[in-house]
Amino acid sequence: QKEVEQNSGPLSVPEGAIASLNCTYSDRGSQSFFWYRQYSGKSPELIMSIYSNGDKEDGRFTAQLNKASQYVSLLIRDSQPSDSATYLCAVNSGGYQKVTFGTGTKLQVIP
Amino acid sequence: SQTIHQWPATLVQPVGSPLSLECTVEGTSNPNLYWYRQAAGRGLQLLFYSVGIGQISSEVPQNLSASRPQDRQFILSSKKLLLSDSGFYLCAWSVGGAGRRGYTFGSGTRLTVV
Repeated sequence: QKEVEQNSGPLSVPEGAIASLNCTYSDRGSQSFFWYRQYSGKSPELIMSIYSNGDKEDGRFTAQLNKASQYVSLLIRDSQPSDSATYLCAVNSGGYQKVTFGTGTKLQVIP
Repeated sequence: SQTIHQWPATLVQPVGSPLSLECTVEGTSNPNLYWYRQAAGRGLQLLFYSVGIGQISSEVPQNLSASRPQDRQFILSSKKLLLSDSGFYLCAWSVGGAGRRGYTFGSGTRLTVV
């Protein structure tokens, strides 16, 4: 069983719509959850972190965490073509020295 | 501000040749340093991490080794490259552990073994 699972996509949404990206994890002891954005051919960039149940908003991005369901999501409002990228979910595992990444969801925003 | 430098950006090496990739961090002290590999169409695989000079943790037994000769320098090496070593190699740093604040990645080295 994979420790962090994401739908590989591609997820296609029209410009201006809400993109919803989902992630599940297996380690109930995980405390830190991250979303990274990776443009094609580039390195990942941290865009959101969340540590407690509920929602965390930063601009057009909202991260949602439900520890009981072991579920993390990222909502992107007013999606733009520049949001087209692969979004990686990451969860701390075995302490705080490292995290485990999902394989990523490719998002395509259609103009 | 903190910056991370990684070079070279691309590398084409024959099978059996040695490898040395270097990563340096500026603007911070005693960072945790990490080497990741991302094979084509695959996820990020943690190879090594270091919490201090000379302290290396290996995550996956393989054809690679890592060293940390200075506080802000992390080196990935191989004595003999295999075709399976091809991939996108990423250095990353964090303070207080990646599980607390996440990583900052370098720009990566795209390695092709031929």
